[in-house]
Amino acid sequence: DTAVSQTPKYLVTQMGNDKSIKCEQNLGHDTMYWYKQDSKKFLKIMFSYNNKELIINETVPNRFSPKSPDKAHLNLHINSLELGDSAVYFCASSRRLAHSTDTQYFGPGTRLTVL
Amino acid sequence: DAKTTQPPSMDCAEGRAANLPCNHSTISGNEYVYWYRQIHSQGPQYIIHGLKNNETNEMASLIITEDRKSSTLILPHATLRDTAVYYCIVGGNQFYFGTGTSLTVIP
Repeated sequence: DTAVSQTPKYLVTQMGNDKSIKCEQNLGHDTMYWYKQDSKKFLKIMFSYNNKELIINETVPNRFSPKSPDKAHLNLHINSLELGDSAVYFCASSRRLAHSTDTQYFGPGTRLTVL
Repeated sequence: DAKTTQPPSMDCAEGRAANLPCNHSTISGNEYVYWYRQIHSQGPQYIIHGLKNNETNEMASLIITEDRKSSTLILPHATLRDTAVYYCIVGGNQFYFGTGTSLTVIP
């Protein structure tokens, strides 16, 4: 009965490959997010998304794209992987977008290693 | 991007209260103060949030100054399992995490 789940937990791949990370939430939330935590443990938001609006952090390369088949899922696609993409990626969800009282619930993270 | 300042690390004896400070001097009127923690290699976990008034739940208490420019998270009886990085966040629809405070609870 995990609230926010991610697969895979670990992902090791070569430079230049294209990969996806999946995220699912069973909380009935409308909004989902992707965060990147780099080797210095700094946690940065990449995207926030609901069925009406995608907000992109302007520092995110366009090789990264979120795709949402339905409200409960937000997958992260990464094209042409680079060494600097190595990090832990966290998915999160909250009830609504742009509402300051909503708590975000985080998944367990996906550790991506690009060789 | 982060709007908060926290000490990088703190120690606390097991069973004692842990008081974690946070400065957020540029907070705007409708922004809440959130506290999350991240235990090693896990996803961030929500602890508590507040706007103006002090808040308490089963995990912690949050004390917000009257001018809202700073706050303190209080873990009343710290245990070894409370060892984690604690993030103070000010925000609305997007969260900007700072570097947080690494709390070590000492036996």
